[in-house]
Order: sequence, then C-alpha cells, then structure tokens
Amino acid sequence: DAGVTQSPTHLIKTRGQQVTLRCSPISGHKSVSWYQQVLGQGPQFIFQYYEKEERGRGNFPDRFSARQFPNYSSELNVNALLLGDSALYLCASSLVLQQANQPQHFGDGTRLSIL
Amino acid sequence: DAKTTQPTSMDCAEGRAANLPCNHSTISGNEYVYWYRQIHSQGPQYIIHGLKNNETNEMASLIITEDRKSSTLILPHATLRDTAVYYCIVRHSAGGYQKVTFGTGTKLQVIP
Repeated sequence: DAGVTQSPTHLIKTRGQQVTLRCSPISGHKSVSWYQQVLGQGPQFIFQYYEKEERGRGNFPDRFSARQFPNYSSELNVNALLLGDSALYLCASSLVLQQANQPQHFGDGTRLSIL
Repeated sequence: DAKTTQPTSMDCAEGRAANLPCNHSTISGNEYVYWYRQIHSQGPQYIIHGLKNNETNEMASLIITEDRKSSTLILPHATLRDTAVYYCIVRHSAGGYQKVTFGTGTKLQVIP
C-alpha cells in the first residue's frame, strides 16, 4: 500500500514568492496534519485538517494556510516567503481525528529552500 | 502540553540492545506515549506507542513505568540501519484535534 506522498520533493524559491505544497494521505485516512522541520530541530505542528475543515493550528503566522479536498488530499500554501521559511515540510495522515491511540504516518516531506 | 525530555545522543554497539530513555513527568492519564524515528532526509517513521502497559512489536519494545512518568524504547538487536534520531512524544486530544509536540530527540549512533 502506498504511504503518505508529498510533492514536490525539493523546491527553491526567492523571498516574497508564494509556494504550494501537496500531500496525498494513506488510502482511507481522513485526517491530514502539516509540520515544519527546521534543520536540527524536531517537527513543529502547523495545521490539522479533518473532513475538509481546519481542526487545529500551531503558532504560525497567517502567511501559512492550508486546505483539504474531498478526496482528503491537502495543500499547504505559504505567502510572502521569508528566509526563515526554509525547512522540511512534512505531511502526516491518520485514520480519524480524535483517537490518540491511532498513529500518524508521515511522508518524506518537501525540502523548501528560500534564496 | 505534557513535555518530554530525552538525552541528546547515545551510542550503541551493533548487535546489542539499544535502550532509549524518555522522561514525561507531566503526562496525564489519557495521554499516550509514542516513539518515532527519523533517518536523515526522510520523514519520521512510526515505531510503537502505549498507554500503561508494556508493548512489543516487530520493531521494538516499549517499557512504561508504573507511574507513567518515564518510558524506555528498546531495540533488541541494533543494526547500523537503526542509526537515526529517535523522538519520544506524548499524544493528546484537545479542543477536537490532536496536537503533537516534538522535542529535539535522541541521536542514536550504532557503532560497528
């Protein structure tokens, strides 16, 4: 079975530009979460979506937005890119929203570099 | 949020058991302990999770103390491919969603 897939794998942008990252969850998984991982640190929670609605947001500015589609895939958008947005962006999926005993499964991420 | 504390790094000889400790002294009764690992340039890989009882799967064993304030991940026979950063996290539900907080993890180096 296919795991969580993310595209693109690598991306280079310049300051001020906008970027869209994509995620396809594991088949049957309805919840998608996004994380930012800066070099040398653990992943930081950005958003969680379930049934096309935002269900949780971490401490990130409004430049970060996301959406989930009827097929449960998701996009993360970042506007007005800053150098500090350079990071590995990870998507994770899980079966449902509120079961803490269901593990999240991660994709391999999109490496975003801002010049 | 219940936070976790892990050693920054550990070494383990190939073929020996790797025991990775985690402190989660503020864990609440309905919070699960999860372990993930991340090999360079890949996404975190789920290993195992537990609530109260010790757990074992094909990858590892998880030992949770009776007071649940700490746990240990055991890789019974470490191989070079087990070299990775290991994250211990506490998983909870709040306000209708599951927020997951990662620390900086333990960098495990398996030595030949």
